[in-house]
Amino acid sequence: GDSVTQMEGPVTLSEEAFLTINCTYTATGYPSLFWYVQYPGEGLQLLLKATKADDKGSNKGFEATYRKETTSFHLEKGSVQVSDSAVYFCALSSNSNSGYALNFGKGTSLLVTP
Amino acid sequence: KAGVTQTPRYLIKTRGQQVTLSCSPISGHRSVSWYQQTPGQGLQFLFEYFSETQRNKGNFPGRFSGRQFSNSRSEMNVSTLELGDSALYLCASRVDRGRSEQYFGPGTRLTVT
Repeated sequence: GDSVTQMEGPVTLSEEAFLTINCTYTATGYPSLFWYVQYPGEGLQLLLKATKADDKGSNKGFEATYRKETTSFHLEKGSVQVSDSAVYFCALSSNSNSGYALNFGKGTSLLVTP
Repeated sequence: KAGVTQTPRYLIKTRGQQVTLSCSPISGHRSVSWYQQTPGQGLQFLFEYFSETQRNKGNFPGRFSGRQFSNSRSEMNVSTLELGDSALYLCASRVDRGRSEQYFGPGTRLTVT
C-alpha cells in the first residue's frame, strides 16, 4: 500500500541555518503530496502542497518539489527562525473510488536555537 | 471563514466507558475525516464521511464508529474504552473537489485511565 518515509528527528539547527527534511513515498497512481506542521498543543496546519510531478509548493519561505523520478518531496527553507520550531509531517493523499485518506510519515521534530 | 472546530478539547474517561467526540467542518466542506495520533503509531486514518455516508475506513476495530449529519457536522464514538485509546483525535475537512487539501481542527485529547 501507499506509504511515506521521512527522516527521523529531532533536528536541531541554529537560527538562520538551512533546513532540509527528507521525505520519500511509495504510491500507486499519482497522489498529491503535502507538508503539514504541528506546533505544541495544536492540530495540523497545512504548510504546502503539490498535486503533480515537478510542481513546487511554497509557503512562508518553505519549499518542496514533487519529484516523481526519485519519489521524493523534500522540505527546504533557506533561513530558519526560532518560531519554526515544530513537528513537520510529510503526507500523501490516496484518492480513489473508496474515498480519500492521508498517509503520514512519522514526523520530524525541528528545534531552532537562537 | 471559521476553521474546523472540535469539542471537547480534553476528555478523561475510565476504561470500559464510551465517548463521543464532535467536529464542525469549515463552512462549505462536505467531507470530514478523522485521524488518531499517538506517540507510538503516529497519525492513523480512522474514517471519512461524505454526504452522511461513510466513504472510507481505516484499520481500526468496530469499537470506533462515526456518523455525519445533514449539516456536515460529524461525531465519532469509541465504545468500551481501552488504555491504548488514549490519543489526540483529529478531525479534518475538505471541499471534496478535485485535489483539494484537508484542513485540520485542534484535536480532542482523550485520556483513558
